[in-house]
Amino acid sequence: GAVVSQHPSRVICKSGTSVKIECRSLDFQATTMFWYRQFPKQSLMLMATSNEGSKATYEQGVEKDKFLINHASLTLSTLTVTSAHPEDSSFYICSAAGQGSNTEAFFGQGTRLTVV
Amino acid sequence: DAKTTQPPSMDCAEGRAANLPCNHSTISGNEYVYWYRQIHSQGPQYIIHGLKNNETNEMASLIITEDRKSSTLILPHATLRDTAVYYCIVRVVGTYKYIFGTGTRLKVLA
Repeated sequence: GAVVSQHPSRVICKSGTSVKIECRSLDFQATTMFWYRQFPKQSLMLMATSNEGSKATYEQGVEKDKFLINHASLTLSTLTVTSAHPEDSSFYICSAAGQGSNTEAFFGQGTRLTVV
Repeated sequence: DAKTTQPPSMDCAEGRAANLPCNHSTISGNEYVYWYRQIHSQGPQYIIHGLKNNETNEMASLIITEDRKSSTLILPHATLRDTAVYYCIVRVVGTYKYIFGTGTRLKVLA
């Protein structure tokens, strides 16, 4: 099946710094990608929809100035956590789907962010 | 809010069939039912999806009731590697934005 790759898989950063997470669709083009966040023992929570060539759409309660999303090409979306704080420590996951109305979205392997 | 409800946990003996139920009583005619699973600290893995007919692939079978208000995912011969959280998701045609519910934590017992 199609592959979505995230990088890095794990990152530790200092409080106040910014961290960029990449999400790539390796063998298909994705005009739309999605970013999720997952806290321990909880379900995935949708953060935003990343649209190629236009602004991302954020879910209610998600700060767009803190979680910057860039979808500059049909195979790459990036999520930047700005001025990270310990409460931003979480598992971040992206997804993407190929063309067609009856297909499935594929998820990246996730990025474990720890802010110290 | 998620449009699905699932039992929080289930156990299944290794080698037996695992039947995971999902309620989606408010599903609309143009919405698909998708199943994914998530093994600890990994991204969700696609299993199967359907609209109104039952579906089968190499991983599982999906049984959708005639009124489409509920479905059951069947893993025919569960193995220890099937231990995971299983998510049932309703998807509106035209978007791949998934709203996850709490899922079912399946534990396969040796």
